[in-house]
Amino acid sequence: GIQVEQSPPDLILQEGANSTLRCNFSDSVNNLQWFHQNPWGQLINLFYIPSGTKQNGRLSATTVATERYSLLYISSSQTTDSGVYFCAAARKGYGNKLVFGAGTILRVKS
Amino acid sequence: NAGVTQTPKFQVLKTGQSMTLQCAQDMNHEYMSWYRQDPGMGLRLIHYSVGAGITDQGEVPNGYNVSRSTTEDFPLRLLSAAPSQTSVYFCASSYSPGQETQYFGPGTRLLVL
Repeated sequence: GIQVEQSPPDLILQEGANSTLRCNFSDSVNNLQWFHQNPWGQLINLFYIPSGTKQNGRLSATTVATERYSLLYISSSQTTDSGVYFCAAARKGYGNKLVFGAGTILRVKS
Repeated sequence: NAGVTQTPKFQVLKTGQSMTLQCAQDMNHEYMSWYRQDPGMGLRLIHYSVGAGITDQGEVPNGYNVSRSTTEDFPLRLLSAAPSQTSVYFCASSYSPGQETQYFGPGTRLLVL
């Protein structure tokens, strides 16, 4: 099956700093999503982005499907951005059967 | 809309006991799925359903059963709980089985002794 790898595994930021999280996937996908798991365990969908670029406030994401990677940008980080960020992908023909990466743990310090 | 709801929030079982984790959504979503999350890992797909009466296995289906008699509900049954099933279980739904944004419930934390 498809492999999804995220980097870095851990990241500590000072409030106000910017960061880039990376997701590599091993096969062609037509479904790629980014999620944030807050410290209380709730999973929030950030982006559905199988290709191209999207922005939502301080967050943006870019997927280059031909090169099999996606990037999540966080600008002007806030303490509420802390948590775990997951990338999840599904191969072509696999609909919404997502395979998750291991996540990036983000800690934003005030 | 309540979105995706799960009950219970937390459960302790003894090895060999059975139980049902409940999941419901009020968004008229066709696609529903169950994932488990183990410490330090991403989520892994257990079972999924593309509509009422249709279910299929995911990556880690052993030890779990599902059924989908209505669009709204997708319960997950543990037939004979084992310590290896200690995990956090998430239910998710999306409007269609295709490429769609998935919405997750709050999770059920299960401890099997």
